[in-house]
Amino acid sequence: GNSVTQMEGPVTLSEEAFLTINCTYTATGYPSLFWYVQYPGEGLQLLLKATKADDKGSNKGFEATYRKETTSFHLEKGSVQVSDSAVYFCALILSRSSNFGNEKLTFGTGTRLTIIP
Amino acid sequence: DAGVIQSPRHEVTEMGQEVTLRCKPISGHDYLFWYRQTMMRGLELLIYFNNNVPIDDSGMPEDRFSAKMPNASFSTLKIQPSEPRDSAVYFCASTETGTLNNEQFFGPGTRLTVL
Repeated sequence: GNSVTQMEGPVTLSEEAFLTINCTYTATGYPSLFWYVQYPGEGLQLLLKATKADDKGSNKGFEATYRKETTSFHLEKGSVQVSDSAVYFCALILSRSSNFGNEKLTFGTGTRLTIIP
Repeated sequence: DAGVIQSPRHEVTEMGQEVTLRCKPISGHDYLFWYRQTMMRGLELLIYFNNNVPIDDSGMPEDRFSAKMPNASFSTLKIQPSEPRDSAVYFCASTETGTLNNEQFFGPGTRLTVL
């Protein structure tokens, strides 16, 4: 089956530090990959995505590159801010070429990030 | 668009009572998903609909849980009878067909506490 494995949290960093949150996946087909972010008291929202190998998703200073050879989609940011404190979820969905019924997102367990001023 | 709307935002009830959670998806979206989030189990997909028809309910924990989507703009998740272990945040999300690689839009969630 499909699965996503995320770096265990919580992660605590100082402001302006470099961030990496690791994500690896297992999939039976050709997945699209996502990072969702959940700010305190809110629902999840899409942060970035990549739909094929070697694609790089980016948004709000965050980046992640779809690495098929290592089945990874690590999230990075060069200089984090206090406002980046949130829970980050890596997720995958199989492509439309897969069988009907594969519209489900498979989520990782989430990584809680806290940025200290 | 107002986004996905969920109500109530908070619900506190006593064990054994019936609980109904409500969701209004984004207009034009034909997929609707119900999730449950707890500290112990993380984010779990309970059920999802396409064009108001349930496609996969394998995540529904037991017969006490039921979900309906009577029309394209409304869905309910009902728990009867409720138990303390049902305490969680329940999210509704929607998306549109045509691009299954597209994002799911999440509502703000309903925080359910069963005493």
